Amino acid sequence: RKEVEQDPGPFNVPEGATVAFNCTYSNSASQSFFWYRQDCRKEPKLLMSVYSSGNEDGRFTAQLNRASQYISLLIRDSKLSDSATYLCVVIGAAGNKLTFGGGTRVLVKP
Amino acid sequence: DVKVTQSSRYLVKRTGEKVFLECVQDMDHENMFWYRQDPGLGLRLIYFSYDVKMKEKGDIPEGYSVSREKKERFSLILESASTNQTSMYLCASSPGHTTDTQYFGPGTRLTVL
Repeated sequence: RKEVEQDPGPFNVPEGATVAFNCTYSNSASQSFFWYRQDCRKEPKLLMSVYSSGNEDGRFTAQLNRASQYISLLIRDSKLSDSATYLCVVIGAAGNKLTFGGGTRVLVKP
Repeated sequence: DVKVTQSSRYLVKRTGEKVFLECVQDMDHENMFWYRQDPGLGLRLIYFSYDVKMKEKGDIPEGYSVSREKKERFSLILESASTNQTSMYLCASSPGHTTDTQYFGPGTRLTVL
C-alpha cells in the first residue's frame, strides 16, 4: 500500500458546482498535512495547510479525519481557473519526512 | 517573492552521459530538495539537504548524487544517465522546519536517449 494515495481523476466539474476529493495516508502517527496545487506544466504551489479542526480559505475547505486516516479538499462555486492537479502532502511521525500523493486532477468546464 | 531557479527547462542527454542539474534559491533557505515527477507516481524525493555540505537520501537516491557547496545552490548529478531517468526534475527550498512551505522551481524536463 502506498503511504499517501489519491484518486487520480480527472474530476470533471461544471462551473459553479462543488467538488470534493480525499487523500488517504497509511501512517497513523503522521503529523502535518497540506494541499498543494499544480497547474499544467507548472511547479506545485502551496494551497493550504490542513488543521485538525478543519479550515477554510475562501471557496476552499480542508478537513482532517484522523480516525479514518484521510484528508479532504472541497471546492465550492468552482471556477474555470480551479482546473489543476491537487497534491496532498503528509509529514511523517518524526517530522522529518515529507511524502506527496500522486495528485487528483480537476477539470472545471463551462 | 521567493525565487527558485533551475538551470534548464529542457535537457536531452545520451545514455551514459554525466548530467548536472543546478538549482539556486535567493531567500537564504536552509532546506533544499530534489524530486522527480512521473505520471501515476507523483513527486518522489531523491535527496535533500538541511545545511551546506550536508545531504540526506530520500526515497529513490539510487543513480543520483548531490552537492551543496553553498547555501543557495543545490546540484543534482546523474553519474551515468539511463533511459529510466527520463523524467521531470523539480527542485524546492524551504526556510527551516520540515512543515514550512516548500517553494518549487519551474522544473527540468530531462530526456535520456
